[in-house]
Amino acid sequence: QSALTQPASVSGSPGQSITISCTGTSSDIGTYDYVSWYQQYPGRAPKVMIYDVSNRPSGVSTRFSGSKSGNTASLTISGLQVEDEAAYYCSSYRSSNTLVVFGGGTRLTVL
Amino acid sequence: EVQLVESGGGLIQPGGSLTLSCVASGFTVSGSYMNWVRQAPGKGLEWVSVIYRDDSTYYADSVEGRFTISRDSSKNTLYLQMNSLRADDTAVYYCATRKGNTWTFDYWGQGTLVTVSS
Repeated sequence: QSALTQPASVSGSPGQSITISCTGTSSDIGTYDYVSWYQQYPGRAPKVMIYDVSNRPSGVSTRFSGSKSGNTASLTISGLQVEDEAAYYCSSYRSSNTLVVFGGGTRLTVL
Repeated sequence: EVQLVESGGGLIQPGGSLTLSCVASGFTVSGSYMNWVRQAPGKGLEWVSVIYRDDSTYYADSVEGRFTISRDSSKNTLYLQMNSLRADDTAVYYCATRKGNTWTFDYWGQGTLVTVSS
């Protein structure tokens, strides 16, 4: 069982918007603004899409946005495109021996 | 251009030892917070370990006491020494850099597969 909770799957049609949630605790998401989101294609290394809750690295589409409320972070992808179909993982710093925790991943299907 | 290339994975029997390497280019490992992250087949990501610029090291509870992270500045290489390997250590192991003062991993290697099985 993963430390952060994500839905196993979400789906949407091209052009639509979807939101993926990531629920943690007061030891991680609830206290620290160190939430990241990663996109991963099968057989490939993850790629950071959002860091520090809502910041986009250079080169990442503005269609990707992040937010946080309480112990839950969210990734929103607007104007869905076929190439957005991938697995998405959230992560957070945690005040424990295990410094970084991940969610179990959400598989996005673009219908 | 930043590049990370892992090697050293393979098939190992339970209880055995293995050392993974991650050769870096485009930056210095001694000036970065270097991490290992693993992913079991068909599963999610799991942070394993970090080595700070001041050589402080930290480990996930699941590997504490069995794994050791280190680096060789002369070779610009990160290592992960893995002892007392178990079946649940089977995973693709990625090395990754931490972005500045954040806790996000901005550069990743391609990964190396470790399979623990008799």
